[in-house]
Amino acid sequence: DSGVTQTPKHLITATGQRVTLRCSPRSGDLSVYWYQQSLDQGLQFLIQYYNGEERAKGNILERFSAQQFPDLHSELNLSSLELGDSALYFCASSPPGGGGASYNEQFFGPGTRLTVL
Amino acid sequence: GQSLEQPSEVTAVEGAIVQINCTYQTSGFYGLSWYQQHDGGAPTFLSYNALDGLEETGRFSSFLSRSDSYGYLLLQELQMKDSASYFCAVKDTDKLIFGTGTRLQVFP
Repeated sequence: DSGVTQTPKHLITATGQRVTLRCSPRSGDLSVYWYQQSLDQGLQFLIQYYNGEERAKGNILERFSAQQFPDLHSELNLSSLELGDSALYFCASSPPGGGGASYNEQFFGPGTRLTVL
Repeated sequence: GQSLEQPSEVTAVEGAIVQINCTYQTSGFYGLSWYQQHDGGAPTFLSYNALDGLEETGRFSSFLSRSDSYGYLLLQELQMKDSASYFCAVKDTDKLIFGTGTRLQVFP
């Protein structure tokens, strides 16, 4: 158990719909990262938040948005869903700045499996 | 562009040693990490190299050569539970850019 929680575990919805995925980072971690993993694919970085502020953006579609709240939990909103959005969505967190291997480790949640029918 | 190349699949027998290579081409580089992911599970951190050389953590070791944009993960005394996908990832400022992964199958 990494200490990162994600809900829901599974989500089945239809094309055109909107869903919200939720993530709570480990206690003390300020950074939250969102990744998408399609079938037999690597992890694609979507977006990072640090202490409520957007820090970095990857290949995130305009239909997707995210935010990090004052209690540091984060939500990823996916709208106008398409069949190709079916994937595992992982959230990860990392400790505040420092040095060494521990600073560079990201702790991943169990993921949300999204199926778009 | 940014890319990380790994072999798609590697097979080995229990007790053997296997090396998974990773070559990268990225705009920024702050270190190379390795993650393990079992089927249906979350990626878990294995190692991180910021400087050239070998880092050893138990049965696993990781190597980095920044001049060659190359690294590898070495797994020794393979066990059945090591069957999983292994991803290299380049740290670019804070975010991680992942390779497509290497599926390791360990046979008895």
